[in-house]
Amino acid sequence: EVQLVESGGGLVQPGGSLRLSCAASGFTVSSNYMSWVRQAPGKGLEWVSVIYSGGSTYYADSVKGRFTISRDSSKNTLYLQMNSLRAEDTAMYYCAREQWTSSDYYFDYWGQGTLVTVSS
Amino acid sequence: SSELTQDPAVSVALGQTVRITCQGDSLRSYYASWYQLKTGQAPLLVIYGQNNRPSGIPDRFSGSRSGNTASLAITGAQAEDEADYYCNSRDSSGRIFGTGTKVTVL
Repeated sequence: EVQLVESGGGLVQPGGSLRLSCAASGFTVSSNYMSWVRQAPGKGLEWVSVIYSGGSTYYADSVKGRFTISRDSSKNTLYLQMNSLRAEDTAMYYCAREQWTSSDYYFDYWGQGTLVTVSS
Repeated sequence: SSELTQDPAVSVALGQTVRITCQGDSLRSYYASWYQLKTGQAPLLVIYGQNNRPSGIPDRFSGSRSGNTASLAITGAQAEDEADYYCNSRDSSGRIFGTGTKVTVL
């Protein structure tokens, strides 16, 4: 059974850092495309970042230069290192597995999310 | 970066059909996927590709695409279908979600 479990969220001051983890079971993280998606309070879903099976990474403009996505194959875990946090980064953060073809990209499994609050 | 535009809210009578649209240039190149989001729950994939449903998703959910517009239809809406729905697609710089549609079942 595929499962994704996020952790690492919490309260952090503006300018601070936080590292989110997403522990996977039932499949191999490094063999899949994996993304982070967030939802700010009262707002819609926002894609944050993706790491491809080959290791390439991409980021939303809103987090580029501040966030870093990575993975640890030995732990089958996805990470999101978040630096220089701002109030507008306050959100529920989800990790998701992505399936793809040449014209079709979709997130078939999601974690339950971890809440990040940036406030003084 | 590109955008995906959805109507903010729609309502449907119990048992009737509702159609949600998602408009954006990226949809000319990539299919949309659709996600149901209920308060306190993780997003749930309901439609992907040309018109594919994951295991466990009722067949009252269906998808289509025409030009730069993707649509999600719920035929015979049930009370449990009341939720927010988001489309998603790839674009040149990553992935994008639509603005979201709140579906109310009356």
